[in-house]
Amino acid sequence: SQQGEEDPQALSIQEGENATMNCSYKTSINNLQWYRQNSGRGLVHLILIRSNEREKHSGRLRVTLDTSKKSSSLLITASRAADTASYFCATARGGSQGNLIFGKGTKLSVKP
Amino acid sequence: DTAVSQTPKYLVTQMGNDKSIKCEQNLGHDTMYWYKQDSKKFLKIMFSYNNKELIINETVPNRFSPKSPDKAHLNLHINSLELGDSAVYFCASSQGASAPPQHFGDGTRLSIL
Repeated sequence: SQQGEEDPQALSIQEGENATMNCSYKTSINNLQWYRQNSGRGLVHLILIRSNEREKHSGRLRVTLDTSKKSSSLLITASRAADTASYFCATARGGSQGNLIFGKGTKLSVKP
Repeated sequence: DTAVSQTPKYLVTQMGNDKSIKCEQNLGHDTMYWYKQDSKKFLKIMFSYNNKELIINETVPNRFSPKSPDKAHLNLHINSLELGDSAVYFCASSQGASAPPQHFGDGTRLSIL
């Protein structure tokens, strides 16, 4: 069964606005990762948050993790047209950290 | 310069044919992966090799056979291609079987006619 589920499935905003994407998962985790996929390209790792962390920042990215609700959110502040991409959360299946389960992603469109 | 490279980028072939996709990484990683992304963007792991040994083998038809000649290469051979095999196949690598992040290639788009 699918571990990560992102919502919304699609999000369209104007440049300069903030974008928030959510991810829910089903089992206990050691960490949760967010990846970005530009059209026609491979996934690029954005940020990893460990299960004992509640919030993490990287540049314009802010990730939160609520293990009690089994959910995470990715906030992109001051979005740019170049942020247009699909965003995926990923968790590991069982004890194998390399065996990642991805959600279906949120497709973000940032209009100039 | 490309860290994880796959060839070919596009592959169009007839049902029933056999084809291979090659993957190479120059990051010095010891673990490599194959993923399949369907038309709805759902990405699912297929295989993983660590130091040339198979460590993850998800429910994949026997028609798919990965081969890792060395730590830097992981190829995927597919026999008797079916319409449902149409997808984008991604190769990825990481340092350590349990050490994120994974670095992805740009994918091979396989279209079965």
